Amino acid sequence: EDQVTQSPEALRLQEGESSSLNCSYTVSGLRGLFWYRQDPGKGPEFLFTLYSAGEEKEKERLKATLTKKESFLHITAPKPEDSATYLCAVHFLKDSWGKLQFGAGTQVVVTP
Amino acid sequence: DVKVTQSSRYLVKRTGEKVFLECVQDMDHENMFWYRQDPGLGLRLIYFSYDVKMKEKGDIPEGYSVSREKKERFSLILESASTNQTSMYLCASSKPQGTGELFFGEGSRLTVL
Repeated sequence: EDQVTQSPEALRLQEGESSSLNCSYTVSGLRGLFWYRQDPGKGPEFLFTLYSAGEEKEKERLKATLTKKESFLHITAPKPEDSATYLCAVHFLKDSWGKLQFGAGTQVVVTP
Repeated sequence: DVKVTQSSRYLVKRTGEKVFLECVQDMDHENMFWYRQDPGLGLRLIYFSYDVKMKEKGDIPEGYSVSREKKERFSLILESASTNQTSMYLCASSKPQGTGELFFGEGSRLTVL
């Protein structure tokens, strides 16, 4: 069964301490991989779409990359406002258009 | 500002009650979705709809039904609520080809006693 696994489950960073989050998936053909940010008590907010290995997307201090088996979300010089849960979702080739598989998320806390 | 609005942020219901969760979007999106979110399990798709009166089952449709009578409105119905349906319910919408770029509401936290 296709699965999406995010690691670590939680990450505590000092302000300015760069780090990376991982999203790995079983290889069965990928239509697209998507990153979301979720603040406490809110719905997820879309960040990035990645379609093919080698692709990269950037937004402020966030950079998402994609290989054949995993994606990384790099947080460069994070600030406290980057604290959130980051979710990864995959649209597998075998699934119909509406079906995304979400990972359980990585909870990031950035302290001043 | 474009929005997906869920009618109730918090609900407490009794086992066996019928529960309606309402969702409205103002972006004229064709696609609408209902997910539930549980700690450690991530978001799981319950039902989705690609047009008025059209619906498809997601990964966990058992115990749920949906209704889409108007393009902007998508309702989730729990015919007879059970304690294992206690969860955060999230509604989302997207453009016709936008499977991955979902716009989410703020969620409805349902507790079934």
